[in-house]
Amino acid sequence: GESVGLHLPTLSVQEGDNSIINCAYSNSASDYFIWYKQESGKGPQFIIDIRSNMDKRQGQRVTVLLNKTVKHLSLQIAATQPGDSAVYFCAERGRNTGFQKLVFGTGTRLLVSP
Amino acid sequence: ETGVTQTPRHLVMGMTNKKSLKCEQHLGHNAMYWYKQSAKKPLELMFVYNFKEQTENNSVPSRFSPECPNSSHLFLHLHTLQPEDSALYLCASRDNRNTGELFFGEGSRLTVL
Repeated sequence: GESVGLHLPTLSVQEGDNSIINCAYSNSASDYFIWYKQESGKGPQFIIDIRSNMDKRQGQRVTVLLNKTVKHLSLQIAATQPGDSAVYFCAERGRNTGFQKLVFGTGTRLLVSP
Repeated sequence: ETGVTQTPRHLVMGMTNKKSLKCEQHLGHNAMYWYKQSAKKPLELMFVYNFKEQTENNSVPSRFSPECPNSSHLFLHLHTLQPEDSALYLCASRDNRNTGELFFGEGSRLTVL
């Protein structure tokens, strides 16, 4: 069955370091992936997305890498700041599930210490 | 401010109560969603509405009853809930002409006693 999972439930980094959050997926038919950030007491916020015809996409301080061979997705945050502390979710959409059905992972908590 | 507003932010109810959660979006989107978020579990899709029509009911118990009177408003009516229904209920909206990005509200934290 489909599953989206995260390797580490908690990631602790020092301010200024680069952070890498990983995500594994099992549906080889997935064609779209998205990362969300959820701060305490708030709803998830869109960070960046990537289609399966790409292997890398960059945003402001963030980069998403997609390795379809091993069905692995990662989010890299450059120069991590205390404001980046949050739970990060990956989500995938299978090509056969329609645009509206994103499958979410359980989330990784990123803790940034000064 | 995401453009999706949920009320109330916190709700405590007994198992015999009837209450409703409200969601309003100001983004001009045509699809609205209810998700359930429980501790240490992935976000669970509950209902999807496209152009006010329900297009997805993810095997949700009938004690949860959604209502979508127009493309901007979505309700979740709650009746005879169980303590295990305690969770954060998230509303989201989306322009279904685009890819997959959902815009979430800040959620309604529900506690069932």
